[in-house]
Amino acid sequence: GIQVEQSPPDLILQEGANSTLRCNFSDSVNNLQWFHQNPWGQLINLFYIPSGTKQNGRLSATTVATERYSLLYISSSQTTDSGVYFCAGDLTYNNNDMRFGAGTRLTVKP
Amino acid sequence: KAGVTQTPRYLIKTRGQQVTLSCSPISGHRSVSWYQQTPGQGLQFLFEYFSETQRNKGNFPGRFSGRQFSNSRSEMNVSTLELGDSALYLCASSWGGGASEQFFGPGTRLTVL
Repeated sequence: GIQVEQSPPDLILQEGANSTLRCNFSDSVNNLQWFHQNPWGQLINLFYIPSGTKQNGRLSATTVATERYSLLYISSSQTTDSGVYFCAGDLTYNNNDMRFGAGTRLTVKP
Repeated sequence: KAGVTQTPRYLIKTRGQQVTLSCSPISGHRSVSWYQQTPGQGLQFLFEYFSETQRNKGNFPGRFSGRQFSNSRSEMNVSTLELGDSALYLCASSWGGGASEQFFGPGTRLTVL
């Protein structure tokens, strides 16, 4: 089946630092999304980004679908950015059957 | 607009029992997908329902089943519970078309003793 690789698996930053999280897919996926999982387990939508670049405040994301990867940029990190970040994509176009990476655990220290 | 709701939020069962979890999607959304999250296996796709029909199924045993009602609410059932079924079960809703962003509920945390 399709493989979703996220790197790095763990990232420790000092508050104010910038970071880049990467997501590689072994095959084409549809409807690529980035999520932040809060301490209670809920997945919070960050970006729906099948292709191109989007920005939302200090966060931005870029997907290069032809090369099967996506990047999440976090600038001027804050302690509240801590948590696990997941990328995921649908295997098929019409069916919502997401495949997730293992996540990047981000810790931002004050 | 209200988000995705899941009930119950926490559940404790014993081996051999069966359990039913419920998910109410965002109003107007017709697709509900279910996922299991465990520390060892991560987030895994269980199945997806659209307009009361299962469109896709992940690689889980037949003990895991689901259904969707005409109002798009969905239930998933796990029979003959095993210790390894302890997990966070998440449902996601979307409008169900091709270019479709999914929105997740808060999850049901199931513990099997």
